[in-house]
Amino acid sequence: AQTVTQSQPEMSVQEAETVTLSCTYDTSESNYYLFWYKQPPSRQMILVIRQEAYKQQNATENRFSVNFQKAAKSFSLKISDSQLGDTAMYFCAFSTSGTYKYIFGTGTRLKVLA
Amino acid sequence: SQTIHQWPATLVQPVGSPLSLECTVEGTSNPNLYWYRQAAGRGLQLLFYSVGIGQISSEVPQNLSASRPQDRQFILSSKKLLLSDSGFYLCAWSVSPVGLAYEQFFGPGTRLTVL
Repeated sequence: AQTVTQSQPEMSVQEAETVTLSCTYDTSESNYYLFWYKQPPSRQMILVIRQEAYKQQNATENRFSVNFQKAAKSFSLKISDSQLGDTAMYFCAFSTSGTYKYIFGTGTRLKVLA
Repeated sequence: SQTIHQWPATLVQPVGSPLSLECTVEGTSNPNLYWYRQAAGRGLQLLFYSVGIGQISSEVPQNLSASRPQDRQFILSSKKLLLSDSGFYLCAWSVSPVGLAYEQFFGPGTRLTVL
């Protein structure tokens, strides 16, 4: 069975510092896609970043970057220069082409401290 | 651009009453549509998904049902609500060209409280 594990239920970081959120997954597929979503207190789910498994280069979106280790089945999210607006629940998700289904982790609640 | 709408935004219903939540997508054709439930402070539970009109796949065989009467409309229903149906309901859409899997886009959600 395909699974996504986020082992850090809660984290905190000082404003302007860097924080890394962990995510591991399990699959026997070779062609798949990984995502990080952010859910702020408004509860609107927002896509933060995506990574195609066939790409070796780690995805980057402004202050957000990933460390994709395919052999280790690890997909961590690094947030640089943390801002108060980054306070949210972060979900790691996984999908394989043609399955239509997305597997979500249980989430990491991140609090950015002033 | 694509937009996804959900209504109502909040709903308080008594146990045993019926339920109808609606989701519509604009700006795309033949999307994959999804219903998720999120309990307070918890992750997402996939309830139903649909890859086309009239095609519904159920992940949770409880007292909920889903229908897709039109290409971009997805409805979540119940004949009799239970206390355990309380939660935050999210609708989402995606497209998946052959060999690819694109990200999901989520609606603003419906907060359902069953009393």
